Amino acid sequence: AQSVTQPDIHITVSEGASLELRCNYSYGATPYLFWYVQSPGQGLQLLLKYFSGDTLVQGIKGFEAEFKRSQSSFNLRKPSVHWSDAAEYFCAVGGNTGNQFYFGTGTSLTVIP
Amino acid sequence: GAGVSQSPSNKVTEKGKDVELRCDPISGHTALYWYRQSLGQGLEFLIYFQGNSAPDKSGLPSDRFSAERTGGSVSTLTIQRTQQEDSAVYLCASSLVAGGTYEQYFGPGTRLTVT
Repeated sequence: AQSVTQPDIHITVSEGASLELRCNYSYGATPYLFWYVQSPGQGLQLLLKYFSGDTLVQGIKGFEAEFKRSQSSFNLRKPSVHWSDAAEYFCAVGGNTGNQFYFGTGTSLTVIP
Repeated sequence: GAGVSQSPSNKVTEKGKDVELRCDPISGHTALYWYRQSLGQGLEFLIYFQGNSAPDKSGLPSDRFSAERTGGSVSTLTIQRTQQEDSAVYLCASSLVAGGTYEQYFGPGTRLTVT
């Protein structure tokens, strides 16, 4: 079955510290992987996506993610977190022929000064 | 440029009433998706439309839920005889074409509260 697991419901980091949000997926075909961010009262915004090629992908706002097929993971990272990064982060998986996207339950990020 | 818009932004209704939620996708986007986001849950796929093809309704949780898309543009999600468990944020997204290679653009959602 297709699914996405985000094991961390909530993470708190200090401003300026590094960040890693975990994402594991189960998908029966070649996965297309996504990270979205949702700020309060806002729709989801795409941070980055992986289709093929280089397994380290760069996104907006200084985020990057690494696809590790052997671990079925697509973890999101940022070297130095800013207070404005506080939001809900969703990992998602889809396929090039499938028309459904499977989202994780999200990780809520709090940034403390 | 205009993004995906949804209306109303908030809707409070009594149990048993019908509600209609509206989505205006980005102009020119042929694919339109509806999701439900419940507290503490991820996004749950409900239905998607691609051009003039028959919609994929496989995610609709019951026959009380239905959706239509008129003229390949605006979509309406209808929930009949609402129940308290229908309370959630309903998100709409559109993309140029359906499929994983095309970015989905999300609207701000409609928060539905059933009392």
